[in-house]
Amino acid sequence: DTGVSQNPRHKITKRGQNVTFRCDPISEHNRLYWYRQTLGQGPEFLTYFQNEAQLEKSRLLSDRFSAERPKGSFSTLEIQRTEQGDSAMYLCASSLRGGTGGANVLTFGAGSRLTVL
Amino acid sequence: AQRVTQPEKLLSVFKGAPVELKCNYSYSGSPELFWYVQYSRQRLQLLLRHISRESIKGFTADLNKGETSFHLKKPFAQEEDSAMYYCALLYSGAGSYQLTFGKGTKLSVIP
Repeated sequence: DTGVSQNPRHKITKRGQNVTFRCDPISEHNRLYWYRQTLGQGPEFLTYFQNEAQLEKSRLLSDRFSAERPKGSFSTLEIQRTEQGDSAMYLCASSLRGGTGGANVLTFGAGSRLTVL
Repeated sequence: AQRVTQPEKLLSVFKGAPVELKCNYSYSGSPELFWYVQYSRQRLQLLLRHISRESIKGFTADLNKGETSFHLKKPFAQEEDSAMYYCALLYSGAGSYQLTFGKGTKLSVIP
């Protein structure tokens, strides 16, 4: 296992197009998180899953954003009708479930950078 | 709502000088705090967490509930410490589970 993997690493798209990012977490981690990071800001929470259940969504996650984790393994984050304000680094992280020693330690992927023209 | 404040965007120190990266938080519950670091061209990674009470790469951080602070310190800065540092607060409860980050401080160690 090489850690959290994200694809694509960089996506350039035109305004109005749809984009999808994929995240493959560490295999034994059952929690998966999506964050967004813009220039000069820290990562901002978007949503998280425990297994296949999406347990929390931030108000930052507008109706154009949807995340799935159908089999409790990899996850996808789709942005429909992209806007220039969606340009950001999208970070995925994973962790062990609650109640275990490493539950609160997030391991991050390298991120997927989105540029909306 | 929980909030993390890192007042310095950039901190420059000379090699061998002491380093202190400031972090203040606001949270009504019992906080769990972390420092994450991002070296150039690398991914964000955990540096240390307050409940471990350990020193990593010479860095320590003490939770001060009275001052609601979790400052990161190192007595002698090294060039390889140059990186972006983020303080983060875990909020969990009532079905929520969020790690809230500060805006980060860029540490530059001058040779």
